Amino acid sequence: GIQVEQSPPDLILQEGANSTLRCNFSDSVNNLQWFHQNPWGQLINLFYIPSGTKQNGRLSATTVATERYSLLYISSSQTTDSGVYFCAVERGGGTSYGKLTFGQGTILTVHP
Amino acid sequence: NAGVMQNPRHLVRRRGQEARLRCSPMKGHSHVYWYRQLPEEGLKFMVYLQKENIIDESGMPKERFSAEFPKEGPSILRIQQVVRGDSAAYFCASSPLAGPSYEQYFGPGTRLTVT
Repeated sequence: GIQVEQSPPDLILQEGANSTLRCNFSDSVNNLQWFHQNPWGQLINLFYIPSGTKQNGRLSATTVATERYSLLYISSSQTTDSGVYFCAVERGGGTSYGKLTFGQGTILTVHP
Repeated sequence: NAGVMQNPRHLVRRRGQEARLRCSPMKGHSHVYWYRQLPEEGLKFMVYLQKENIIDESGMPKERFSAEFPKEGPSILRIQQVVRGDSAAYFCASSPLAGPSYEQYFGPGTRLTVT
């Protein structure tokens, strides 16, 4: 199956700092999503981004499908950004429709 | 437009009992997916269903687990004779269609604890 690797595994920031999270994947993809799992365990959709660049407030994401990676940028971080960030992909080729494979996540802690 | 709904949010079962987890997809969505988050294994795909059909169950354990999505009503994930290793968070997601260009939206999850 497709492999998804996220880095760094852990990240500690002071409030106001910027950060970049990376997601590498081993095969072509139909779908790539970024999620934030908050301290209550809920999975929040951040971006649907199989290719290109998107921005939503302080967050933005870029996927370079030909080089098999995606980046999530968090600017001016806030304590409420703390939690686990997951990248998930659906393998391309038409044989894995609907099956998202998740990375192991990046645990982000933002201190006031 | 209400999001994906799951109930119960927390479920406690003794070993050997049955657990039934329910998922109502977003309005207009006819594709449902179940995922499990085990403490040391991360989030893993279990099964993909459309109304009255199982499309991909490659992630389902071979025994004790079953899933359905009937013509009417929510999708059900059923775990028979639960064991402590079944303790996990179970997430349901839905999409209007499957394949390229369709984002999956996740519910809040059901936390199953087996005592």
